[in-house]
Amino acid sequence: KQEVTQIPAALSVPEGENLVLNCSFTDSAIYNLQWFRQDPGKGLTSLLLIQSSQREQTSGRLNASLDKSSGRSTLYIAASQPGDSATYLCAVSPQGAQKLVFGQGTRLTINP
Amino acid sequence: GAVVSQHPSRVICKSGTSVKIECRSLDFQATTMFWYRQFPKQSLMLMATSNEGSKATYEQGVEKDKFLINHASLTLSTLTVTSAHPEDSSFYICSAEGFSYEQYFGPGTRLTVT
Repeated sequence: KQEVTQIPAALSVPEGENLVLNCSFTDSAIYNLQWFRQDPGKGLTSLLLIQSSQREQTSGRLNASLDKSSGRSTLYIAASQPGDSATYLCAVSPQGAQKLVFGQGTRLTINP
Repeated sequence: GAVVSQHPSRVICKSGTSVKIECRSLDFQATTMFWYRQFPKQSLMLMATSNEGSKATYEQGVEKDKFLINHASLTLSTLTVTSAHPEDSSFYICSAEGFSYEQYFGPGTRLTVT
């Protein structure tokens, strides 16, 4: 059974810092991995999707990497801003299964 | 593109009544839609996978007779919570599968059962 773990559960940093969020998964047989952002009481916004054949994806100040063999992904946020404050969720799509398995999320707070 | 809507965004109902939540893909057709449930400060848990024109596939522990799912068209799936009770109060989120198996999520529906 695929399990996804995110560390840390919560993170608070001052504005302007670069930071890394971690995601690990137990079964390397995945189709893709996605990073999402969720604001309180809202739905999910897809940030980056990495196919299993890819190593990383970039969008603006965000960079996500994928090491499928070791079951790890990182989300790097450069020059953090207060508007980046949200919960960040990592999810994997297992091969042969039409679903996403989510981690518990990292609650990020950027202090002005 | 790839916008998914949910209706209603919030609903309050009395215990014992049924509530229907709609999930629509606005600018694409989705053969497969998913229904998730999220408790406060917890992650999303998949409830069921809905395929157009066929019966939904429910995850272990989810009562199919309580959470009725209908996916009658390529742009609409509905979740009906039957005989709702306070413990069914939660945030329900749907997603629709688009190109390359990417899932696009709706804004969620906050259900409160009194």
